[in-house]
Amino acid sequence: EAQVTQNPRYLITVTGKKLTVTCSQNMNHEYMSWYRQDPGLGLRQIYYSMNVEVTDKGDVPEGYKVSRKEKRNFPLILESPSPNQTSLYFCASSWGGSYGYTFGSGTRLTVV
Amino acid sequence: GENVEQHPSTLSVQEGDSAVIKCTYSDSASNYFPWYKQELGKRPQLIIDIRSNVGEKKDQRIAVTLNKTAKHFSLHITETQPEDSAVYFCAAPNGGNDYKLSFGAGTTVTVRA
Repeated sequence: EAQVTQNPRYLITVTGKKLTVTCSQNMNHEYMSWYRQDPGLGLRQIYYSMNVEVTDKGDVPEGYKVSRKEKRNFPLILESPSPNQTSLYFCASSWGGSYGYTFGSGTRLTVV
Repeated sequence: GENVEQHPSTLSVQEGDSAVIKCTYSDSASNYFPWYKQELGKRPQLIIDIRSNVGEKKDQRIAVTLNKTAKHFSLHITETQPEDSAVYFCAAPNGGNDYKLSFGAGTTVTVRA
């Protein structure tokens, strides 16, 4: 089954404790992206990757890092999480750029 | 970057009636306009999209119209059913950059039985 898999689904952590949210797709998509969803703000793009070792900032990249060492994986790293990063995070992939995203199931992160 | 505004933020309709959601965008270079539906507790899913070389596209009970001159596009749902209740998001690429997709704030649609 074609899918984008995110882990974990839920995470509660403390301020400053480094964490990684994993994202993996099995569709051989070149493009992957991370979004955060907050009430009243819709989905805001954090980072995206056009291919292996090619990444770029979205609209809200501050406090986040990404890497794309393999085509199927695109982890999101929070080096020092803060409470304002409490949000619902979605990973997405597509065959090319913005066209026809497949989203993961989401990761609800709470930073206390 | 692209600024996508979506209205209304909430919409309540009687089952069987039509629902219309409108989005405006700021960058005239944008050329692809998708709509996503997100049911409660689920992931967003693409329901329809339109490219700038056409003015309207239909898929069963949903349709999207595009007015490039006015820089707005709309989602139309006809004969609404309870399963249409969800949050709907419009989106547009940041100008000529097809790798950056900006979303509207979302419209919560409630279909009353």
